[in-house]
Amino acid sequence: QVQLQESGPGLVQPSGTLSLTCAVSGASYSGSELWSWVRQAPGKGLEWIGQIYHGGRADYSPSLWSRVTISLDKSKNQFSLRLKFVTAADTAVYYCARRNRGFCGGGSCIPNAFDIWGQGTMVTVSS
Amino acid sequence: NFMLTQPHSVSESPGKTVTISCTRSSGSIASNFVQWYQQRPGSSPTTVIYEDSQRPSGVPDRFSGSIDTSSNSASLSISGLKTDDEADYYCQSSDGTTVAFGGGTKLNVL
Repeated sequence: QVQLQESGPGLVQPSGTLSLTCAVSGASYSGSELWSWVRQAPGKGLEWIGQIYHGGRADYSPSLWSRVTISLDKSKNQFSLRLKFVTAADTAVYYCARRNRGFCGGGSCIPNAFDIWGQGTMVTVSS
Repeated sequence: NFMLTQPHSVSESPGKTVTISCTRSSGSIASNFVQWYQQRPGSSPTTVIYEDSQRPSGVPDRFSGSIDTSSNSASLSISGLKTDDEADYYCQSSDGTTVAFGGGTKLNVL
């Protein structure tokens, strides 16, 4: 079955760049997937960061778009998040997730939902 | 941009029914599907309702979802409450290119 696993530094300096990678296993790239990043600050709710389509187009949260880049490397079965100029407010658990379009192109999925999540990785912004 | 507003917390007794609301700030609630996620402490979210009212395989029929265009809101109802249902619940929708989550509702089963 499809599995996602986040990796990257757990500590980032203020004003630096947060970089995370999500390894994808067991998935096919059928075009129905939107590979996504979601974060959750300590004690807070879920916040959508952005998503990337099969063809490479990306959508970003209006509150983060000026600082965020999501990229997809299908040859390595992974997608990545870069968030620039981080502050303490960016301290959070970062999840990678598969979101689906209105159809399931290959294998089973839950259409229109985030149906597969990584376990999450805690990133702290501190000097 | 749009926002989804949920109550911060709800409480109910085992065996009872609870309903959690999710109000969309702009744009019609019917224009994009609403999903609901359950998140237990220390765990990743899981889908309990998708496409407004559909249950994924394995989710008990005690969970149901609906939308109400008159109040521009969605609702998640859980009947026959069990202590195991105690968790945070999030609604989620989109406007085509961006995604929003509600602020989350902590369900206390007392």
